Amino acid sequence: GQNIDQPTEMTATEGAIVQINCTYQTSGFNGLFWYQQHAGEAPTFLSYNVLDGLEEKGRFSSFLSRSKGYSYLLLKELQMKDSASYLCAVRDTGGSGGYNKLIFGAGTRLAVHP
Amino acid sequence: DVKVTQSSRYLVKRTGEKVFLECVQDMDHENMFWYRQDPGLGLRLIYFSYDVKMKEKGDIPEGYSVSREKKERFSLILESASTNQTSMYLCASSLIGVSYNEQFFGPGTRLTVL
Repeated sequence: GQNIDQPTEMTATEGAIVQINCTYQTSGFNGLFWYQQHAGEAPTFLSYNVLDGLEEKGRFSSFLSRSKGYSYLLLKELQMKDSASYLCAVRDTGGSGGYNKLIFGAGTRLAVHP
Repeated sequence: DVKVTQSSRYLVKRTGEKVFLECVQDMDHENMFWYRQDPGLGLRLIYFSYDVKMKEKGDIPEGYSVSREKKERFSLILESASTNQTSMYLCASSLIGVSYNEQFFGPGTRLTVL
């Protein structure tokens, strides 16, 4: 079957570092995405990993291990505005017309406290 | 600036009504998607389209249909709305044939069926 697991909720302190984990089981794999979604707003793209290793983008980094079916999103120097849901999504292979289906996890709601 | 717009932010309908949700993108994207987002379940794909007049079922197509007569517009139709279709509906679009095919999301339509 296809399954993506991530913690439901996390809390952290302003200025700290937080790691949000995601494990996946899919029939195929062609990349993993992280999206940020503030309450009542659309998800916005944060990062993409298709090869093993760490991708760094400012305060945010994302790691992938394909052999373990595992990824994490690392947020450094947390700010209050980072309070949001973080969605892990795996692009499954297959489908027609050049489309690869995205399978989303339920999201991790992060609350950053002063 | 990349833009995906949806016809309504909030919609209230009665059981049995026919409901149209419209999505327009101005990025000349080939792929367009309709998702619903429910607490604890994440985003689930209803239908997608990779070209004008082409459509494919996602994971939960029952009770929905779609129409794509023009490249920029993708409509979701609830033929006879039911209370279990109360949800947040998100439209997204992406390019075809690009390495990471990032999906851009609209602001969402919160539909309540009474």
